[in-house]
Amino acid sequence: EVQLVESGGGLIQPGGSLRLSCAASGFTVSSNYMSWVRQAPGKGLEWVSLIYSGGSTYYAGSVKGRFTISRDTSRNTLYLQMSSLRAEDTAVYYCARAKTGTIGSFDYWGQGTLVTVSS
Amino acid sequence: QLVLTQSPSASASLGASVKLTCTLSSGHSNYAIAWHQQQPEKGPRYLMKLDSDGSHSKGDGIPDRFSGSSSGAERYLTISSLQSEDEADYYCQTWGTGIHVVFGGGTKLTVL
Repeated sequence: EVQLVESGGGLIQPGGSLRLSCAASGFTVSSNYMSWVRQAPGKGLEWVSLIYSGGSTYYAGSVKGRFTISRDTSRNTLYLQMSSLRAEDTAVYYCARAKTGTIGSFDYWGQGTLVTVSS
Repeated sequence: QLVLTQSPSASASLGASVKLTCTLSSGHSNYAIAWHQQQPEKGPRYLMKLDSDGSHSKGDGIPDRFSGSSSGAERYLTISSLQSEDEADYYCQTWGTGIHVVFGGGTKLTVL
């Protein structure tokens, strides 16, 4: 059974850093394209970052240069390193697996982890 | 630039059917999309992948009441025999080399 479990969220001051984790089971994170998606309070879904099975990485313009996506195959875990955090980064962050053979048809989602950026 | 357009809201009566629409921007009518459901206070749930020819593949455990279809740049999600638990936000989403991942703004479905 495929499962994704996020962790690492919390309250952080503006300008701070945080690392989110997404522990995967039932498949290998390096075999599928994986993304981070966020949802600000009361808003819609927003794509944040993508890592290809081959390792290439891509970012939304709003986070480029501040966030870094990575994975650890030995731990079967996806990460999102966030730095220079701003109030507008406050959101629930979800990891999502792309259906095999697609870049971004997300067939499994985690339960989300809340990041609150506030002083 | 690829944009997905959804109506902000829709409503239908318990037991009835509803058809939600996701429109691909000009020049992108051949893109496949995915539909996701987000019930209140929950994370998104994958419903189906919908191709431009209307063929679709549903996620695990998705009832037969949910179906998809396509016409030109329009992608549809039809929910029949509406139940109270179908009251949720519905998002369409697409992907591709260069565009990466794009979400529509979502449709809030109210079951009357």
